[in-house]
Amino acid sequence: KAGVTQTPRYLIKTRGQQVTLSCSPISGHRSVSWYQQTPGQGLQFLFEYFSETQRNKGNFPGRFSGRQFSNSRSEMNVSTLELGDSALYLCASSLASGQETQYFGPGTRLLVL
Amino acid sequence: DQQVKQNSPSLSVQEGRISILNCDYTNSMFDYFLWYKKYPAEGPTFLISISSIKDKNEDGRFTVFLNKSAKHLSLHIVPSQPGDSAVYFCAASAKWSGGSNYKLTFGKGTLLTVNP
Repeated sequence: KAGVTQTPRYLIKTRGQQVTLSCSPISGHRSVSWYQQTPGQGLQFLFEYFSETQRNKGNFPGRFSGRQFSNSRSEMNVSTLELGDSALYLCASSLASGQETQYFGPGTRLLVL
Repeated sequence: DQQVKQNSPSLSVQEGRISILNCDYTNSMFDYFLWYKKYPAEGPTFLISISSIKDKNEDGRFTVFLNKSAKHLSLHIVPSQPGDSAVYFCAASAKWSGGSNYKLTFGKGTLLTVNP
């Protein structure tokens, strides 16, 4: 079974731009969660989608948004990029929403200049 | 407010010896705990988990111990191998009443180096 895939793997943007990241979960997994990893803050939860609905949201500003499609693929969008948004963005999938083990993709490395 | 803490940023052990990675948590609602391993430029890889109804779970060379009264868990790797060198993250989750709000709260990680 293929793992979680994320595209693109690397991205360079400038301040003020917006970016869209994509995540394809493991086949059969319906829950997708997004995390931001930075050296100072570690892994921080952004949001979780299940059955095309946002089920849970972390403490990030409204510039961070996401959506999930009927095939469980998910996208994350960041508008009006700031330098501090430079990070590794990780997507994780699980079978369902709840106490399930999450399986991570390789991440998208975003650099904001 | 760091609810999951890994107080040792790094740990170095000799090949063949035991590696013990520690994790403390403050949120008494946490009832499911996981350990992930992460290599550079890769996403975290799930290692082992434990539910709060257990105090030990074992999978090959990896054993996780949970001490609920101390709000402490540890990961033991025996014997340690050079390929185990990576960053290890402890994570915890809780199921709040009234819904299935699920997220993983991660510690900041411990860099394990296993020397040949």
